[in-house]
Amino acid sequence: EAQVTQNPRYLITVTGKKLTVTCSQNMNHEYMSWYRQDPGLGLRQIYYSMNVEVTDKGDVPEGYKVSRKEKRNFPLILESPSPNQTSLYFCASSFSNGATQYFGPGTRLLVL
Amino acid sequence: DQQVKQNSPSLSVQEGRISILNCDYTNSMFDYFLWYKKYPAEGPTFLISISSIKDKNEDGRFTVFLNKSAKHLSLHIVPSQPGDSAVYFCAARHPTGNQFYFGTGTSLTVIP
Repeated sequence: EAQVTQNPRYLITVTGKKLTVTCSQNMNHEYMSWYRQDPGLGLRQIYYSMNVEVTDKGDVPEGYKVSRKEKRNFPLILESPSPNQTSLYFCASSFSNGATQYFGPGTRLLVL
Repeated sequence: DQQVKQNSPSLSVQEGRISILNCDYTNSMFDYFLWYKKYPAEGPTFLISISSIKDKNEDGRFTVFLNKSAKHLSLHIVPSQPGDSAVYFCAARHPTGNQFYFGTGTSLTVIP
């Protein structure tokens, strides 16, 4: 089954404790992206990657890191999480033009 | 500053009638527009898209209209069905780097 998987689905952590949210896709997509969804703000793009070893900042990259060492994986790293990073995070992938993105089920993060 | 806006947070429509969801954007460089549908506890799913060189695209019950001079697009659903009840996001692509901007979403309720 073609899908985008994210882990964990739910996470509660404390300020400053490094964490990684994994994202993996099995559709051989070149384009991958991370978004956060917040009430009243919709979905905002954090980082995206056009292909392996190519990453770019989206609209709200501050406080996040990503890496793209393999085509199928695109982890999101929060080196020192803060409460304002409490949000619902979505990973997405698509073929090279990024137009039709397939989204993962989401990761709900609470930073205390 | 929000480059893609959905000014109606919610919309209620009777089953069988037309649903019209609206979206405005500010950046004339956007070259591709998409609508996504989102159910609770799931990631968004692609619904329909339109290139900036077109003014209309149809797919079954769904039609997207683009008015470039007004920087406005709309999604028409005819006839509306209870299963269409969801949050709808419009999105726009900036051609430089394939960065995406999403609106804040409109929650559609179709009343049986």
